[in-house]
Amino acid sequence: DTGVSQDPRHKITKRGQNVTFRCDPISEHNRLYWYRQTLGQGPEFLTYFQNEAQLEKSRLLSDRFSAERPKGSFSTLEIQRTEQGDSAMYLCASSPSYPHPNRGYTFGSGTRLTVV
Amino acid sequence: DAKTTQPPSMDCAEGRAANLPCNHSTISGNEYVYWYRQIHSQGPQYIIHGLKNNETNEMASLIITEDRKSSTLILPHATLRDTAVYYCIVRARSLEGSNYKLTFGKGTLLTVNP
Repeated sequence: DTGVSQDPRHKITKRGQNVTFRCDPISEHNRLYWYRQTLGQGPEFLTYFQNEAQLEKSRLLSDRFSAERPKGSFSTLEIQRTEQGDSAMYLCASSPSYPHPNRGYTFGSGTRLTVV
Repeated sequence: DAKTTQPPSMDCAEGRAANLPCNHSTISGNEYVYWYRQIHSQGPQYIIHGLKNNETNEMASLIITEDRKSSTLILPHATLRDTAVYYCIVRARSLEGSNYKLTFGKGTLLTVNP
């Protein structure tokens, strides 16, 4: 197992365009999380899946953002009509479910989005 | 909001111990102290966690004060590759309810100098 994979690593897009990111979690992890990190800040929680069910969405996730996890495996995060304020690192993480969360999450290396 | 306070930056000489402090004066009885680090352009990496006893693993040691209001992460022999932002997070151990969320502060930028 190679850990959590995210694709692409970098994305530059023009304002107003749509972008989609992909996350492949560790195969036996049924929980998947998306975080966003802006420059100089720690990561902020966006949304959480348990298997294919999206159980929570942060208020940071405006209606331009949508996340899916079909079949409870990989996940996609789509941003429609991108704005410059969407420029950030988008991090995906996965974890096993209760009762063995001892090692916390495993994060991917992130997708850095730049909106020009 | 993050429940922890950390210095924004610290320096350490290569080969010396790096001691990173964290204050968590409002920690509750069922909350653990977790440490993650983030090397430039990578995602955060779990280091260690503890409740009230000191903990050690292959990466670091965690010293938690008796009143649990503060802790120190110790990297015994810092290398250049340990240069990173270190985050101290308090969270309930169980992943039930909303405990799955990690609340990151700004962390401490540790710079290991040759």
